[in-house]
Amino acid sequence: QSVLTQPPSVSGAPGQRVTISCTGSSSNIGAGYDVHWYQQLPGTAPKLLIYGNSNRPSGVPDRFSGSKSGTSASLAITGLQAEDEADYYCQSYDSSLSGRYVFGTGTKVTVL
Amino acid sequence: EVQLVESGGVVVQPGGSLRLSCAASGFTFDDYTMHWVRQAPGKGLEWVSLISWDGGSTYYADSVKGRFTISRDNSKNSLYLQMNSLRTEDTALYYCAKDSSSGYCCNYMDVWGKGTTVTVSS
Repeated sequence: QSVLTQPPSVSGAPGQRVTISCTGSSSNIGAGYDVHWYQQLPGTAPKLLIYGNSNRPSGVPDRFSGSKSGTSASLAITGLQAEDEADYYCQSYDSSLSGRYVFGTGTKVTVL
Repeated sequence: EVQLVESGGVVVQPGGSLRLSCAASGFTFDDYTMHWVRQAPGKGLEWVSLISWDGGSTYYADSVKGRFTISRDNSKNSLYLQMNSLRTEDTALYYCAKDSSSGYCCNYMDVWGKGTTVTVSS
């Protein structure tokens, strides 16, 4: 059971805006550790989408944006497109875990 | 081109052992911390282990601590995961991933391999 909780699924029509939450606690997001987001298209390896809470790597469309507040973070996709249908995972660092690194439970985005 | 290629995944019986390898190219391997991440069939991502740039620091998820050992050979640009006392719940696609820095805190994984499949079954 992950310490970072995401909704199992979100959906939206093409062109709409969807958001995915990532809820943590005082030992991870709330402690000030950065949140990063990954996109996993069907049958492929994860790909870095957002790093350092709100930064996009080169090549990631500006339709994707991230934010963080308190013990939670969010990923927003505006102008939803069919190719955005994928699984999305948040990731952070947790000082209470021996291993320290943790992924969120994952969210399946469906484009209606 | 920055690339990570995993190998070594096979079908193994419960209690058995296996060593996974990850060959890195296209970047200065010994400048970066490296990770293993796994994904059980139909499930989410689970972080497994990390090793710092020089091998001096290693961390493990509780689920594998004491059974798995991460190592690296910087002269061969290679990362390894020795897996002992395997359980059916270790069945997963194992990814090798490059960290964004040389440290072991608070970073992200900016390059991923395609993964290698480990199946633990009798």
